[in-house]
Amino acid sequence: DTEVTQTPKHLVMGMTNKKSLKCEQHMGHRAMYWYKQKAKKPPELMFVYSYEKLSINESVPSRFSPECPNSSLLNLHLHALQPEDSALYLCASSQGVAGGPKDSGELFFGEGSRLTVL
Amino acid sequence: GEDVEQSLFLSVREGDSSVINCTYTDSSSTYLYWYKQEPGAGLQLLTYIFSNMDMKQDQRLTVLLNKKDKHLSLRIADTQTGDSAIYFCAEAGGSYIPTFGRGTSLIVHP
Repeated sequence: DTEVTQTPKHLVMGMTNKKSLKCEQHMGHRAMYWYKQKAKKPPELMFVYSYEKLSINESVPSRFSPECPNSSLLNLHLHALQPEDSALYLCASSQGVAGGPKDSGELFFGEGSRLTVL
Repeated sequence: GEDVEQSLFLSVREGDSSVINCTYTDSSSTYLYWYKQEPGAGLQLLTYIFSNMDMKQDQRLTVLLNKKDKHLSLRIADTQTGDSAIYFCAEAGGSYIPTFGRGTSLIVHP
């Protein structure tokens, strides 16, 4: 199984709603990532979890709250979002955050959750 | 300025070769990647090259790295309509966390 599964594929929410994005992988990867991608732009790193601990937070506003309940699951809790937060949210995983020369460092991406904030 | 730069668009005829270029600024980059993104999908790794290599070939794909000029290219031989997608160049140091370019939209005409 080389898949990263994200749910939901599409989400529409109001600025006062609370919702969550979910990501799951069963490849035994120890690092998981959240990226945000706006149209015609590259993916921007938001958070990195390594061995279920938050290792990188790229100064993301607190209205985005990540959670890693176990090594296979990664959630992104959303609260009081703004319309400019509308984007494609991509989850990815990799074997490790740092490895040796025999590891390509490949990130495996899910198909993303397309979020629209009204 | 951007850490990884790519041209935004490339249009080719089916059967021709495509060459997508990328420049990066981080001289400590260890890994350089090409990812492909099809419409409505996530990114998929196409190929990668270590910084101590000059070239890597994988079937229709050829990656060339000029470390002195910090220039990376991806050549797709015999380009097919199914190759139409956005191609992202990315570089990473020892942490493996890549910095992506803005992506090159490859359009293949029949």
